[in-house]
Amino acid sequence: GAVVSQHPSWVICKSGTSVKIECRSLDFQATTMFWYRQFPKQSLMLMATSNEGSKATYEQGVEKDKFLINHASLTLSTLTVTSAHPEDSSFYICSARDLNTGELFFGEGSRLTVL
Amino acid sequence: AQSVTQPDIHITVSEGASLELRCNYSYGATPYLFWYVQSPGQGLQLLLKYFSGDTLVQGIKGFEAEFKRSQSSFNLRKPSVHWSDAAEYFCAVGARGATNKLIFGTGTLLAVQP
Repeated sequence: GAVVSQHPSWVICKSGTSVKIECRSLDFQATTMFWYRQFPKQSLMLMATSNEGSKATYEQGVEKDKFLINHASLTLSTLTVTSAHPEDSSFYICSARDLNTGELFFGEGSRLTVL
Repeated sequence: AQSVTQPDIHITVSEGASLELRCNYSYGATPYLFWYVQSPGQGLQLLLKYFSGDTLVQGIKGFEAEFKRSQSSFNLRKPSVHWSDAAEYFCAVGARGATNKLIFGTGTLLAVQP
């Protein structure tokens, strides 16, 4: 089946640094990708919708300057957590919508720990 | 407001027993409905989905779910649980449109006793 790959799968960084997480659709093209955040023992909360070649659409309450999203190609979207702080520690999951079938596939997630 | 409720935070069943995970939704129109499974530290895998037609939907790994419009429910069932089914299960609703923007429930953590 279709695969969505996230990299890195886990990352530890110091407070104040920036971290980039990649989301790639490996065998399909995706004009739309979604970024979710999941706190421990909680559900997934949609952060933003990433659109290839245009600006991302952020959900209410999500700081666009804090969470930079770039969707430069039909197979890659990146989420950059800028000036990360411990409260940004979370599990970030992306999903990608197959351009041809419309089906949605999820990545395996990236766990960010900010010290 | 659109929402998804999974009333059971945690469920424990014995291996071989039947399983039902509850999901209720609040949505302005007839939604798309999904069940996903998440193993620890991993992403989500789609178990099944309902778009239209037969209200009893068959999924992977022996799971099925029934859409009941009158009850705004989409409960997930499995007749005989296996130890490998231990995971967290999420119900989600999506808009009928092109976005596939999903709203997730809070999840139900399933433990399986030997």
